[in-house]
Amino acid sequence: DAGVTQSPTHLIKTRGQQVTLRCSPKSGHDTVSWYQQALGQGPQFIFQYYEEEERQRGNFPDRFSGHQFPNYSSELNVNALLLGDSALYLCASSRSGRAGDEQFFGPGTRLTVL
Amino acid sequence: AQSVTQPDIHITVSEGASLELRCNYSYGATPYLFWYVQSPGQGLQLLLKYFSGDTLVQGIKGFEAEFKRSQSSFNLRKPSVHWSDAAEYFCAVGAVSGGYNKLIFGAGTRLAVHP
Repeated sequence: DAGVTQSPTHLIKTRGQQVTLRCSPKSGHDTVSWYQQALGQGPQFIFQYYEEEERQRGNFPDRFSGHQFPNYSSELNVNALLLGDSALYLCASSRSGRAGDEQFFGPGTRLTVL
Repeated sequence: AQSVTQPDIHITVSEGASLELRCNYSYGATPYLFWYVQSPGQGLQLLLKYFSGDTLVQGIKGFEAEFKRSQSSFNLRKPSVHWSDAAEYFCAVGAVSGGYNKLIFGAGTRLAVHP
């Protein structure tokens, strides 16, 4: 049983560019959440997707957007990249995202913005 | 506001010594509490969780944590640390909004283990 997978592993972009990160949830999971982990900090919640819709969102600007596909996989898009967007982006999946559901994390995508 | 504080940024212990990592939370209702471990180049792995009931929770790899409502704390303990426990540890609270949860993490505690 494959766990949560993310691609790519590493990515280097320049300021102003756009980036797309991808996530495949654990088998049997239908909810995907995205977190940003800046260097030396804990992960911060970006948003959560369920049934192809954004269900809740953290305190991130509209430059951060996402999508969920019918097979429950998800993409995180970031437009107009800033230096401060450099971070490890973590994807987590769960059965429904309801209170108490365990979230399983992928290995992350390391984004560097130059 | 919901928040998690991990007062110790970095802790060093000797192999075989006991360990306690501190976590304090701020949350209006009864919290869902979690401890995760992150090794270099890897994602977060759940060590244990508290939802309700017994305030002493057992987890994987010999870890345990105790929920103390009066102190708003959820400290992680291990009686004897192994070199492989060196990693970063994150405490998190499950914040519930509209019935759905998101995790609010502390800044983490980096554990180093001396042989």
